Amino acid sequence: QVQLVQSGSELKKPGASVKVSCKASGYTFTSYAMNWVRQAPGQGLEWMGWINTNTGNPTYAQGFTGRFVFSLDTSVSTAYLQISSLKAEDTAVYYCARSGGVIVTDAFDIWGQGTMVTVSS
Amino acid sequence: QSVLTQPPSASGTPGQRVTISCSGSSSNIGSNTVNWYQQLPGTAPKLLIYSNNQRPSGVPDRFSGSKSGTSASLAISGLQSEDEADYYCAAWDDSLNGLYVFGTGTKVTVL
Repeated sequence: QVQLVQSGSELKKPGASVKVSCKASGYTFTSYAMNWVRQAPGQGLEWMGWINTNTGNPTYAQGFTGRFVFSLDTSVSTAYLQISSLKAEDTAVYYCARSGGVIVTDAFDIWGQGTMVTVSS
Repeated sequence: QSVLTQPPSASGTPGQRVTISCSGSSSNIGSNTVNWYQQLPGTAPKLLIYSNNQRPSGVPDRFSGSKSGTSASLAISGLQSEDEADYYCAAWDDSLNGLYVFGTGTKVTVL
């Protein structure tokens, strides 16, 4: 079935880096865009941006430039989110979500299960 | 930094109808379609309504969406205990080179 499976929880120290993976299956990876969404503890959803899975071109939302990098490995149908120079305020659950289908064009119709990233000394 | 405003909470007894509002602006709801997501406790969000009023396969017809001008609403009729969750509206925004904005979220409690 169509699904996005993310990597497991991470515990990192401030200043370190983390790379979260999102593996797609059950559909043609390059036929849909991939988005990233952050949810801080007890807070709402925040769109971080998206990556064009055909060209690899990323678009970052305000507040997610500089330390945040979206990348792809299309050979294994996987998208990545890398965060560098981690801060305590980066502690959150990070979700990948696909968009850009033929029928559901503008919504995120499939979501990964989420990856908890905890930044603590 | 949510630009779509929702009431923080809503509640109802089983079988009742609950409505959640979502207020935006001309650059988001006024120009683009609205989507709604349901997030059950401890789980990932799930698409509930897309293109203002369309339900993905598998979503019960108890859930319905509508849009008028720069506002939208989600209605849950025949409220059930399993509907207790957080609900978010969302839309693309034409300002700032295009971005996707979520609502502030509404916690629905089944009394």
